Amino acid sequence: SQQGEEDPQALSIQEGENATMNCSYKTSINNLQWYRQNSGRGLVHLILIRSNEREKHSGRLRVTLDTSKKSSSLLITASRAADTASYFCATDTGNQFYFGTGTSLTVIP
Amino acid sequence: DTEVTQTPKHLVMGMTNKKSLKCEQHMGHRAMYWYKQKAKKPPELMFVYSYEKLSINESVPSRFSPECPNSSLLNLHLHALQPEDSALYLCASSQVEGWVEQYFGPGTRLTVT
Repeated sequence: SQQGEEDPQALSIQEGENATMNCSYKTSINNLQWYRQNSGRGLVHLILIRSNEREKHSGRLRVTLDTSKKSSSLLITASRAADTASYFCATDTGNQFYFGTGTSLTVIP
Repeated sequence: DTEVTQTPKHLVMGMTNKKSLKCEQHMGHRAMYWYKQKAKKPPELMFVYSYEKLSINESVPSRFSPECPNSSLLNLHLHALQPEDSALYLCASSQVEGWVEQYFGPGTRLTVT
């Protein structure tokens, strides 16, 4: 079955607001990655966080990882209309690589 | 050049046709991947090539046949597909195999009629 579940499934916010999406997974991981996908196009890698890291920043992105709860969150601060996309977490279990179910983010100008 | 290119962008084929999808990268990456993505679903891994050798086949039906002619090219040969195979087919590459950062192409939108 799918390794990662994301919530919410869909999120709609006003430009300038922060967006938070969560990813929960089932088995222990080596690392967790977040990707963005604009409608029907290829995915873009956003950030990778290793299992021994708790928090990582990249520009307006902040990712946290709680291995005890098997969960991660992606925070996008000061959102822009261009952030409208689907966001997927992806987990590396060592011998498997799964994308989560995804969160569809809409940022309203 | 940090781009992965895929051709064609769109493909419509009948169930008796034979067609191929192509993927190319010039980043010197030694791992390349094929994914299948249905609408509103996450990508599903199909094949992984590492150093031009098939490393992972996720129990994909034989009507999908991958080929890696060299370190820059990856093909996916299609034959006798079913309508349920209609999807977005994504190619990706990474420096090495090991589930590190992957670079994705824009995908080929395949419709099987």
